[in-house]
Amino acid sequence: QVQLEQSGAEVKKPGASVKVSCKASGYSFSNYAMHWVRQAPGQRLEWMGWINAGNGRTKYSQNFQGRVTITRDTSATTVYMEVSSLRSEDTAVYYCARDWSDISGYSYYFNYWGQGTLVTVSS
Amino acid sequence: DIQMTQSPSSLSASVGDRVTITCRASQSVNNYLNWYQQKPGKAPKLLIYVASNLQSGVPSRFSGSGSGTDFTLTISSLQPEDFATYFCQQSYSSPITFGPGTKVDIK
Repeated sequence: QVQLEQSGAEVKKPGASVKVSCKASGYSFSNYAMHWVRQAPGQRLEWMGWINAGNGRTKYSQNFQGRVTITRDTSATTVYMEVSSLRSEDTAVYYCARDWSDISGYSYYFNYWGQGTLVTVSS
Repeated sequence: DIQMTQSPSSLSASVGDRVTITCRASQSVNNYLNWYQQKPGKAPKLLIYVASNLQSGVPSRFSGSGSGTDFTLTISSLQPEDFATYFCQQSYSSPITFGPGTKVDIK
C-alpha cells in the first residue's frame, strides 16, 4: 500500500533553515508528482510547491519568494523540502502529499498524505 | 490568487442529520474543486474530486456538486465518524488554494 513517511519534528531559530524528508513506498516513485502543503496553527492549508519525481522539475508558490526548495532522491524514493530564512510565521505542520494522477497528467489534488512534520520557529 | 471561502465556518449537528457545506471561489474554477476531511492531529483525507467524483473508499453518503464559483458538499446522514473539519480546494490554477474550513461538531 502507498505510504509516505515524514521525518520528525524540528525546532529552529529565526533565520535558520529546515529540511523535511518524505519517504515514499508502495508505488512507482518516479511516476508521480509530490506536493508540499503546510498548516499553521488554526489556519487553512497552504500549498507550497511540487516536484515531478521522474525528471525533478519543480514549481513553487510565489508566496514563498524563493525560500522553498524541493528535491528528490530517486534511489531512496525520498522527497525533500527545505525552507530557508525561517521566521516565526513559518511555525506549522508540513505535509507531503502525492498527486492523484501520474505524471502523464497532473491533477493537483492529493489522495495520499504523509503524517505531517511540526516545525517550530522560536528564539 | 483565487480566494476560497466557505460557509458556515462551523455547525453543530446530530447523527442522522443531512449536512450541507458551501464553498465559493473568487473566480471561476470550472469544476476543479475538491473536498477534504481532516480530524484533529491527522492529515487531510480526499473525499470528492473535480466537484462531484467520490474518491475510492469514501462512503456514498458524501456527495459534491457545483461548477464555476459555487460548490456544495453534502453528507446525507451524518455518522459519528464524520465529526471533523472539511476543506475545499481549487486545483484550477496555480497557486492551489484551500478554503478556511468548516468544523462539524456534535449537537
